Amino acid sequence: GDSVTQMEGPVTLSEEAFLTINCTYTATGYPSLFWYVQYPGEGLQLLLKATKADDKGSNKGFEATYRKETTSFHLEKGSVQVSDSAVYFCALMVNDMRFGAGTRLTVKP
Amino acid sequence: EAQVTQNPRYLITVTGKKLTVTCSQNMNHEYMSWYRQDPGLGLRQIYYSMNVEVTDKGDVPEGYKVSRKEKRNFPLILESPSPNQTSLYFCASGRIADTQYFGPGTRLTVL
Repeated sequence: GDSVTQMEGPVTLSEEAFLTINCTYTATGYPSLFWYVQYPGEGLQLLLKATKADDKGSNKGFEATYRKETTSFHLEKGSVQVSDSAVYFCALMVNDMRFGAGTRLTVKP
Repeated sequence: EAQVTQNPRYLITVTGKKLTVTCSQNMNHEYMSWYRQDPGLGLRQIYYSMNVEVTDKGDVPEGYKVSRKEKRNFPLILESPSPNQTSLYFCASGRIADTQYFGPGTRLTVL
């Protein structure tokens, strides 16, 4: 069945460091791909999305490119801030939505 | 304001006592779903619904029921809760194959 595998955490970075969180997927159809973020004590919020191959989603300095040839959707940010500390979920959707296990990011001043 | 609401936000109950967690959305979305979030396991889908009167099992449906009698509401029913259903539950809605909007979560403890 459809599934998402993402880099396990936790990930700890210093402020202004470069962030990469790896995400790969398996899907029988043509999925839409998403990154969601969950701040402490809150629900999930959409961070960015891409609906077809080679699309790049971007928001708040985060980027991810839909790579069909490598079935990947890695999340990147050039310079993280303390406020980016959260749990990040990669997800795909064909008929139903499948999530990765989540990666906890902590950014230290 | 466009939103997904869940009630209650927190619930402590005892084994076997039937409960319902309500979910409502005001965005006219066809697709609604329920997830549970457990440490180290991410989000797992319990049930989903593609439209009124159309529901289907997700990955972990055992012990849960749902109904979709109206487009805006998608309640989650635990007929006989057990301690292994202690979890954080999220409802979501959206268009099919598009962004899903999540409610604030319901933290359930079954003693």
